[in-house]
Amino acid sequence: LAKTTQPISMDSYEGQEVNITCSHNNIATNDYITWYQQFPSQGPRFIIQGYKTKVTNEVASLFIPADRKSSTLSLPRVSLSDTAVYYCLVGAYNQGGKLIFGQGTELSVKP
Amino acid sequence: SQTIHQWPATLVQPVGSPLSLECTVEGTSNPNLYWYRQAAGRGLQLLFYSVGIGQISSEVPQNLSASRPQDRQFILSSKKLLLSDSGFYLCACPSSQGAISGANVLTFGAGSRLTVL
Repeated sequence: LAKTTQPISMDSYEGQEVNITCSHNNIATNDYITWYQQFPSQGPRFIIQGYKTKVTNEVASLFIPADRKSSTLSLPRVSLSDTAVYYCLVGAYNQGGKLIFGQGTELSVKP
Repeated sequence: SQTIHQWPATLVQPVGSPLSLECTVEGTSNPNLYWYRQAAGRGLQLLFYSVGIGQISSEVPQNLSASRPQDRQFILSSKKLLLSDSGFYLCACPSSQGAISGANVLTFGAGSRLTVL
């Protein structure tokens, strides 16, 4: 299973772009990269998913280089409400079932 | 879309007492099911996962156990709670929301917060 490494914490200010990078050096061919957002006392919620290159949706972009050994979640123009813990998850549940999260990145957005 | 129900939402138990947390899933059949625990200020720790009725895989040695008596029911139990069992317990199952089929997107329940005194 691919192990993930993320920065423990990051600080930002409202209106800035935030980039959070996740390393997953031993990612497997069938693995997808998925990012989640978690607020206190809530379960994580899905943000974005990708396999390679770039994916963009209404809340974020995900950049994945050709070797897929890392990925970067980009949050454009963050607001105070983006203060949360962000997790990257690498794996494919239909390949054995096990899905292990890393420690996550605690993002603090300041006014 | 899938909906996960967890109860109780909050629980305060003395050390040495038993535990039963329940998770039920709607909107899907024969899903993989997961129990995660989050200690205060920590990340998500995978405790158990199940790929079918009666099939349980344990990830971390502990005094907890899990059972799946029905397709969409997942139960976390303990015979004697320890202080270290305190935490936020989350049940999850695969979701098709915004995802590529067969890939690792999970939907989580609202969680059960356990405090062991």
